[in-house]
Amino acid sequence: GQNIDQPTEMTATEGAIVQINCTYQTSGFNGLFWYQQHAGEAPTFLSYNVLDGLEEKGRFSSFLSRSKGYSYLLLKELQMKDSASYLCAVRDSNYQLIWGAGTKLIIKP
Amino acid sequence: ETGVTQTPRHLVMGMTNKKSLKCEQHLGHNAMYWYKQSAKKPLELMFVYSLEERVENNSVPSRFSPECPNSSHLFLHLHTLQPEDSALYLCASSSNGAGEPYNEQFFGPGTRLTVL
Repeated sequence: GQNIDQPTEMTATEGAIVQINCTYQTSGFNGLFWYQQHAGEAPTFLSYNVLDGLEEKGRFSSFLSRSKGYSYLLLKELQMKDSASYLCAVRDSNYQLIWGAGTKLIIKP
Repeated sequence: ETGVTQTPRHLVMGMTNKKSLKCEQHLGHNAMYWYKQSAKKPLELMFVYSLEERVENNSVPSRFSPECPNSSHLFLHLHTLQPEDSALYLCASSSNGAGEPYNEQFFGPGTRLTVL
């Protein structure tokens, strides 16, 4: 079966750095997405990786290792507004998105 | 209106009721999706429409019936639902085709459905 694993919940301090991991086992691979979802709101696109390596976008970076079936989302200089759920999703060989259950990130002052 | 809109935002219904959820996208996309989101579970893809043709139906119970009259509108018709169908129902759209490297999905705010 296809599976995406990510931690259920993480806590970090304002101004710090946090890394959210995602491991996957899917039928084929055609890219990995990270989405952010604030409580009661729509998921919004954060990043996309299809080749190995690090993609940086301001305070957020996403890393992919296809050989290890592994990705992480790195958030720097955390702000209170970064409190949200972070969803990892992998596009499989049929170009369908397989979703993780999301990681709830709690930021403390 | 911009992006993807959904109505209603909240819906409470009995098991014998019939209701419909509506989604509209203003992004010029050619694919639309219905997802079910339950607490602490992965997003479950229910239906996919591409160019107004249903291309995916993930063994969803027949009490959920989708309709896509055009590329901008998507409906989910509900009848004789069960309490376990209570969840957040999200609509999304994307532009699928050559030259679209990400095909990222844009989501609406969802309809919070409670079945009594």
